[in-house]
Amino acid sequence: DSGVTQTPKHLITATGQRVTLRCSPRSGDLSVYWYQQSLDQGLQFLIQYYNGEERAKGNILERFSAQQFPDLHSELNLSSLELGDSALYFCASSGRTGGNRNTEAFFGQGTRLTVV
Amino acid sequence: AQKVTQAQTEISVVEKEDVTLDCVYETRDTTYYLFWYKQPPSGELVFLIRRNSFDEQNEISGRYSWNFQKSTSSFNFTITASQVVDSAVYFCALKVGTGGTSYGKLTFGQGTILTVHP
Repeated sequence: DSGVTQTPKHLITATGQRVTLRCSPRSGDLSVYWYQQSLDQGLQFLIQYYNGEERAKGNILERFSAQQFPDLHSELNLSSLELGDSALYFCASSGRTGGNRNTEAFFGQGTRLTVV
Repeated sequence: AQKVTQAQTEISVVEKEDVTLDCVYETRDTTYYLFWYKQPPSGELVFLIRRNSFDEQNEISGRYSWNFQKSTSSFNFTITASQVVDSAVYFCALKVGTGGTSYGKLTFGQGTILTVHP
């Protein structure tokens, strides 16, 4: 168990809909990352938050947004969903306070999103 | 920009064979970090090892060993005496930067599917 919790594990929704994926990082980790894994694109970095602030952006569509709350959990919002958004979405966390700054990221089990 | 290449798309071995997974990376940064992750059929990504660019000491951990060579920009991973439970997709990943960017994103390779047959 990595200590990173993602909910829900599976999500099936229709095109055009909006969904919210939730992530609770490991206790004490300040950074949260979102990644998308699809068959054609592989594992792609979407966005990073550090202690509530956006730190880095990757290949994230404008229809997607994220935020990190004061309790450090994060949500990824996906709107106007298309068939091509079907993928496995991972959350990862790192950067435990007081520890080694250059630490590995630990991943949650992922949310499998199917858009029909 | 960073890039990670795992040239082997799929590898199939018979149990107890040794297998090496190749990883080549590209970066202009002098400080970077390399990782291997394992994704079993259940889907989660499991961290295996991290190596810093300033530490070329190779490591052995049980049946796993890693060979980091900066001269060839390679970070290869070997499983000795493979087992059926080693069947998974293995990803090599790269993170660059220091200071404020040390929490930065991972750039992943495309993954190598390892199948170990009984």
